Amino acid sequence: FVLTQPHSVSESPGKTVTISCTRSSGSIATNYVQWYQQRPGSAPIIVIYEDNQRPSGVPDRFSGSIDSSSNSASLTISGLKTDDEADYYCQSYDSYNPVIFGGGTKLTVL
Amino acid sequence: DVQLVESGGGVVQPGGSLKLSCAASGFTFSGSAMHWVRQSSGKGLEWLGRIRSKANSYATHYAASVRDRFTISRDDSMKMVYLHMNSLKTEDTAVYYCTRHYTYYYSVGYIDVWGKGTTVTVSS
Repeated sequence: FVLTQPHSVSESPGKTVTISCTRSSGSIATNYVQWYQQRPGSAPIIVIYEDNQRPSGVPDRFSGSIDSSSNSASLTISGLKTDDEADYYCQSYDSYNPVIFGGGTKLTVL
Repeated sequence: DVQLVESGGGVVQPGGSLKLSCAASGFTFSGSAMHWVRQSSGKGLEWLGRIRSKANSYATHYAASVRDRFTISRDDSMKMVYLHMNSLKTEDTAVYYCTRHYTYYYSVGYIDVWGKGTTVTVSS
């Protein structure tokens, strides 16, 4: 299956933004979804694992969810800061493919 | 602290070979599956392959795009994982990341830690 993300999103500081990740086939609920943040020139870091779990050190402004009706996962960032400007990737898997990445979403905080 | 440090990147001619290394520290390396992921300039993340632990027979799994050319191996005594790349093409030019697969109890687990990456340029 393919994970489809919007190419880019933008929002103002202090606002809330949601990035979607739509699974093309099979249920989004079948396999966990992770989210990674990648700032320019840096390696990715995990911000959400197992759909909605936040690693220690990740601010609670970051939250994850899944929606079976739209077969998609979402990453929501509230109280946006300029430091949140980065590329965000969703990731899942299935029985045949241990790792499947979405195409990535460029978040601009302006 | 969990740390992964890649090395071995450089410039190689098309058709050539290269071996990337990843030194792990700060965790029980022998019990962890490890992945390689790459990223071409301005592009997204591409998963290349995974090697599991000794308990899982060091099983490997590769992306179809590199299955016939890339091989992953590991040395648990040295806490190292390797990516052997053959028949390199210009489109293999990318930053290559070593990553850890974290599991707990009976969870499926997930990639949680990434190295800083090493750059491979395939050019004549």
